[in-house]
Amino acid sequence: DTAVSQTPKYLVTQMGNDKSIKCEQNLGHDTMYWYKQDSKKFLKIMFSYNNKELIINETVPNRFSPKSPDKAHLNLHINSLELGDSAVYFCASSQFSGEILTDTQYFGPGTRLTVL
Amino acid sequence: GENVEQHPSTLSVQEGDSAVIKCTYSDSASNYFPWYKQELGKGPQLIIDIRSNVGEKKDQRIAVTLNKTAKHFSLHITETQPEDSAVYFCAASKGRSGSARQLTFGSGTQLTVLP
Repeated sequence: DTAVSQTPKYLVTQMGNDKSIKCEQNLGHDTMYWYKQDSKKFLKIMFSYNNKELIINETVPNRFSPKSPDKAHLNLHINSLELGDSAVYFCASSQFSGEILTDTQYFGPGTRLTVL
Repeated sequence: GENVEQHPSTLSVQEGDSAVIKCTYSDSASNYFPWYKQELGKGPQLIIDIRSNVGEKKDQRIAVTLNKTAKHFSLHITETQPEDSAVYFCAASKGRSGSARQLTFGSGTQLTVLP
């Protein structure tokens, strides 16, 4: 039973196309994230949602639009794909509990996007 | 913003030896420092974390130390095994935006444990 799942695992597409990556978590967490890992393995946060509300929005081109239909899902839609968008995209989730002070981020397996 | 530097970028050790990975951070307000392990083709997985009110934390063969004055923290793996081979990332965070914690990651260390 996968905690954080992403589909598809691999995505190969042409420049200029529009594509979506889906993420689902079954941990009951209320916060979800999207990260981008480039070819040098550098990991950088893109967005964070809490209960369907955007909380963190780093300097990301507005071609990237996250959508959260409910707190268990956070999808990433990318318009007009460019060569530089090629990367591995990771979804993550966490649950903040003030009493326990734990907010570990659990990552999905990643989606490798290749733009030709 | 926060900047996290991680060294070395690659590290090879003999099985049974110890491995040490070091990170420095720039923002003195950072108070949470997790370490993640990423195996080939998988997502990062938390292995240990430390908060700024603690100087050291251990979990079996893994330990993390934090020096707030110098703004650096280190991961120590003892009695390394081949399955420890992976990319290790340090990260720093100075708090939450609501319930979301913004992590700034180091550039990663490829650890190879030679049998």
